[in-house]
Amino acid sequence: GQQLNQSPQSMFIQEGEDVSMNCTSSSIFNTWLWYKQEPGEGPVLLIALYKAGELTSNGRLTAQFGITRKDSFLNISASIPSDVGIYFCAGPSGGSGGGADGLTFGKGTHLIIQP
Amino acid sequence: SQTIHQWPATLVQPVGSPLSLECTVEGTSNPNLYWYRQAAGRGLQLLFYSVGIGQISSEVPQNLSASRPQDRQFILSSKKLLLSDSGFYLCAWSWGGNEQFFGPGTRLTVL
Repeated sequence: GQQLNQSPQSMFIQEGEDVSMNCTSSSIFNTWLWYKQEPGEGPVLLIALYKAGELTSNGRLTAQFGITRKDSFLNISASIPSDVGIYFCAGPSGGSGGGADGLTFGKGTHLIIQP
Repeated sequence: SQTIHQWPATLVQPVGSPLSLECTVEGTSNPNLYWYRQAAGRGLQLLFYSVGIGQISSEVPQNLSASRPQDRQFILSSKKLLLSDSGFYLCAWSWGGNEQFFGPGTRLTVL
């Protein structure tokens, strides 16, 4: 099956710093999704990307769909304490298939903000 | 607006006991429904998905089963729980596209 590799696994940053994380796949995806999960809760969809090269923002978050269609990046600018959580990338399990097949998730990037 | 509910929120069950977790969606019709399991706070694994009443597809072999008795109800079951069934179970829905929306989850501990 497909695998998504996320890096870094964990990030320890100071409040106010910018954050960058990425996700790579050996297969081509036609959709990239970024989720955030806080302890004890379900993941919340942050950004959806549908076109190679697409750059999409949601407040202080910006995500890009890689040109090769095998990677995606998420940036958070001027981090604040509520940004703490685990960030997951995901793509359709069929790669280029439809949504009915479910999603394949990366293992997540754990963001920790030090005061 | 659409909302998704899961219950119970937490559950502690002995090995060998049965399981029934429920997920319901409000505010939409004919959603695709999904069950995922998350172990150790990382990585979600797709267990089952359904595109309609009575239609269930399984992604991994296991001692769990799923059913969809109504359009907006999805149930995860087991006849006999194993220790390895412990985890955080998440239900999700979609309109048929790739964007999925998750419920609050059920924390299952098998002792």
